[in-house]
Amino acid sequence: GAVVSQHPSRVICKSGTSVKIECRSLDFQATTMFWYRQFPKQSLMLMATSNEGSKATYEQGVEKDKFLINHASLTLSTLTVTSAHPEDSSFYICSARDRTGANTEAFFGQGTRLTVV
Amino acid sequence: AQSVTQLDSHVSVSEGTPVLLRCNYSSSYSPSLFWYVQHPNKGLQLLLKYTSAATLVKGINGFEAEFKKSETSFHLTKPSAHMSDAAEYFCVVSPPPGSARQLTFGSGTQLTVLP
Repeated sequence: GAVVSQHPSRVICKSGTSVKIECRSLDFQATTMFWYRQFPKQSLMLMATSNEGSKATYEQGVEKDKFLINHASLTLSTLTVTSAHPEDSSFYICSARDRTGANTEAFFGQGTRLTVV
Repeated sequence: AQSVTQLDSHVSVSEGTPVLLRCNYSSSYSPSLFWYVQHPNKGLQLLLKYTSAATLVKGINGFEAEFKKSETSFHLTKPSAHMSDAAEYFCVVSPPPGSARQLTFGSGTQLTVLP
């Protein structure tokens, strides 16, 4: 099946620094990728939709200046958490759908556990 | 519009007994439905999918689900639970292929398997 690779799987950073998370579709092209945040014992919360070659679409309540999304190619989207604070600590997951529509399902990355100290 | 309701936040079964995780959906179009499993600190893995073909869908690890349009349900079952099945399970509704609309997730069901 299709594979989405997300890195890093785990990162610890100091408060005030920025962290970049990469999401790659390894064997298919994804016009659209999605970034989710997941709090403990909860479902996934969509943060933003990343569109190749254009600006990301952010969900209500998500700060676009804090969570910078870049989708520079059909196989790579990045999420940068800027000036991270402890409350940004969470599990972040990306997903992608095949642009051809050959697969209806979304494929998920392995997730990134961010801890801000 | 679409929505998903997972009727149980927690399900506990004994090893070797059947598993039933319930999911009801609503959708204004013919939906694609999925079950994903998530182990701690991991991403989501696809268990099975329904895309308007056979209503009884078989997935990985012995799981299956039946699409019942009249009941708007897509319950996940497994005849015999294994310890490794303990995880969080999400029922998901997807818009049609090519749509830019987002997935809709259920709230999740935590499955505990007792020895």
